Amino acid sequence: ETGVTQSPTHLIKTRGQQVTLRCSSQSGHNTVSWYQQALGQGPQFIFQYYREEENGRGNFPPRFSGLQFPNYSSELNVNALELDDSALYLCASKTPEADTQYFGPGTRLTVL
Amino acid sequence: SQELEQSPQSLIVQEGKNLTINCTSSKTLYGLYWYKQKYGEGLIFLMMLQKGGEEKSHEKITAKLDEKKQQSSLHITASQPSHAGIYLCGADPGSNYKLTFGKGTLLTVNP
Repeated sequence: ETGVTQSPTHLIKTRGQQVTLRCSSQSGHNTVSWYQQALGQGPQFIFQYYREEENGRGNFPPRFSGLQFPNYSSELNVNALELDDSALYLCASKTPEADTQYFGPGTRLTVL
Repeated sequence: SQELEQSPQSLIVQEGKNLTINCTSSKTLYGLYWYKQKYGEGLIFLMMLQKGGEEKSHEKITAKLDEKKQQSSLHITASQPSHAGIYLCGADPGSNYKLTFGKGTLLTVNP
């Protein structure tokens, strides 16, 4: 039990639609990162938020955006969904003192 | 950019056997993480290594970082079915928790 939850568990969308994925962390987890994991691959870093500001982005287009809220929850938004966006989306969070981040169970997104 | 190569890609062992998974980096490793993942689920933190030559153990799992800090190994002693899953190594090039991962090693342990 990592204390990081994600919703929904599974989601099916159609190409061109928009989707919002949610992550809820424990109190004090002021750094949250989002990763995309395609089938058979390792997770790829999308972006990180620290104290509600974006703090670095991986090689993902602007249609991937995020928000972090004061209550330690966060969102990943993806616009204009493409078939290749089908993947497991993971969020990970940490406190300032921790030397590791803790992952949520993920949201499985399928784009048809 | 840093790339991590894991070997083998998959591994099938009989319960009770020892096994080793390797993770090789294209650049010096400043922070190397090992995670375990059940299929389609989140990552479970196993260990983190930072110093060259460092070795850490937890229960029957031992991880090492070589002196040159470009390779790490994960060793499981007397494997059990509960060890089955995908093992991922992740590198933290900037000590900022923006990890680069290998593709993972799928471990199957047959009873």
